[in-house]
Amino acid sequence: GENVEQHPSTLSVQEGDSAVIKCTYSDSASNYFPWYKQELGKGPQLIIDIRSNVGEKKDQRIAVTLNKTAKHFSLHITETQPEDSAVYFCAASMGNNFNKFYFGSGTKLNVKP
Amino acid sequence: DAMVIQNPRYQVTQFGKPVTLSCSQTLNHNVMYWYQQKSSQAPKLLFHYYDKDFNNEADTPDNFQSRRPNTSFCFLDIRSPGLGDAAMYLCATSSLPGLAYSYEQYFGPGTRLTVT
Repeated sequence: GENVEQHPSTLSVQEGDSAVIKCTYSDSASNYFPWYKQELGKGPQLIIDIRSNVGEKKDQRIAVTLNKTAKHFSLHITETQPEDSAVYFCAASMGNNFNKFYFGSGTKLNVKP
Repeated sequence: DAMVIQNPRYQVTQFGKPVTLSCSQTLNHNVMYWYQQKSSQAPKLLFHYYDKDFNNEADTPDNFQSRRPNTSFCFLDIRSPGLGDAAMYLCATSSLPGLAYSYEQYFGPGTRLTVT
């Protein structure tokens, strides 16, 4: 089955700096890659996603890049703010059948004011 | 606003006492999922319903059951909770087959289960 690895497990940055979280996946059949933000005591919330036919996607301060050949994708957050502090999960899915998500282990991002 | 609602948000039960968690959705999505999330871990899929078809993950304990009486509601039943079942339980929904550019799963806020 699919295996998703996520690094780093914790990331501490100064407000205004950029943050990068990386994920690798094992199954070349995966074609959908979402990123979720989870604040303490809340459910995960989608912040950005990318399909395998696209190499990069951007939404204001957030961007995701995908390298299908190397089987890795990354989340980039620019101009970080304290409210970006949360746990971020990447996932991979084949988008077929029931759209099972294979989650990474999560990255705890701390943005210091 | 269309959303995924979970009740209760916090549930305390005694060791071995059956407990039911509920999830409802106003998105009219045909797929509903139940996840277990323990502290500092990723969500772990327990099972899902694709329309009325129930699908169990291979490693989901028999202690966990689910019911989906209609499109909008789905229940998680834990028949004999153990201390190891204390966790956040997340419900999610999805509309399949997916649109051209989205297979998003929409998560509810979760139910925090404590077992005493």
